[in-house]
Amino acid sequence: EIVMTQSPATLSVSPGETATLSCRASQSVSINLAWYQQKPGQAPRLLMYRTNTRAAGIPARFSGSGSGTEFTLTISSLQSEDFGLYYCQQYYDLWAFGQGTKVEIK
Amino acid sequence: EVQLVESGGGLVQPGGSLKLSCGASGFTSSDSAMHWVRQASGKGLEWVGRIRGKVHNYAPVYAASVKGRFTISRDESKNTTYLHMNSLKIEDTAIYYCTTPLTYNDPFDIWGQGTMVTVSS
Repeated sequence: EIVMTQSPATLSVSPGETATLSCRASQSVSINLAWYQQKPGQAPRLLMYRTNTRAAGIPARFSGSGSGTEFTLTISSLQSEDFGLYYCQQYYDLWAFGQGTKVEIK
Repeated sequence: EVQLVESGGGLVQPGGSLKLSCGASGFTSSDSAMHWVRQASGKGLEWVGRIRGKVHNYAPVYAASVKGRFTISRDESKNTTYLHMNSLKIEDTAIYYCTTPLTYNDPFDIWGQGTMVTVSS
C-alpha cells in the first residue's frame, strides 16, 4: 500500500504571494500523481494530473513538478478563490490520497 | 451536462447495511470506471473502491478497510452504479462521493455532490 504524506498541514499565504505545497509517496509512483482542490461543502476538483498537466479550465498560475516520490504544487500570485484544501493523489498502484494541505489567508 | 448524482445515504446502526446509488447523466457510464471515495467529517479523502466498465468485465477492486464488507455493482440499463455496504462500523461514517475518470485515463475529473452516511446506535 502506497502512503501519501503532504506538508505542511496548513499554509498561511497573503494574496498575491506564492504557495508551495509538498507531497511525498512512500514508494515511487513515477509521474502518476494528481492534485485536487476542495472548498467547504463541495466535492474535490481536479487541478493537475500526470504531475504537471493542468486539467481543463485550470489557470496557468497552478504548476506541478516532481517524479518518483517527491512532488510539488506551486500556486503563483494567489487569488482569493485559491484558498482551500489541497490533496495529492497517486494512481500508480490503486489510488491513495494525501491527508491534505489547507491554504489559508495570512 | 455531464453529471453524477448520489443518493441513498442515511442513518444506520452498527452492523447494519445500506445501498448507495450513483446516477450518471450526460455520458455513457458503461465505458468508464466508476469509483467511490469517502470523507469523514473534518478528515481527508479515502478511496473506497472501483468497478470497471463492460469491456473489462466490470472488474472490482476495494480498499483494505472495506474489503469483504462493501461491494460495487452497476446497472448499465439505468446508467447507475451502486455501493452495497454491509457490516457497517461507526468509522464508516462519512460523505460518500462517486467519481469517474471521464476525460483523462486515471485521475477523477467528474464528481458527484456526495451523500452522507451516519453509522450510530
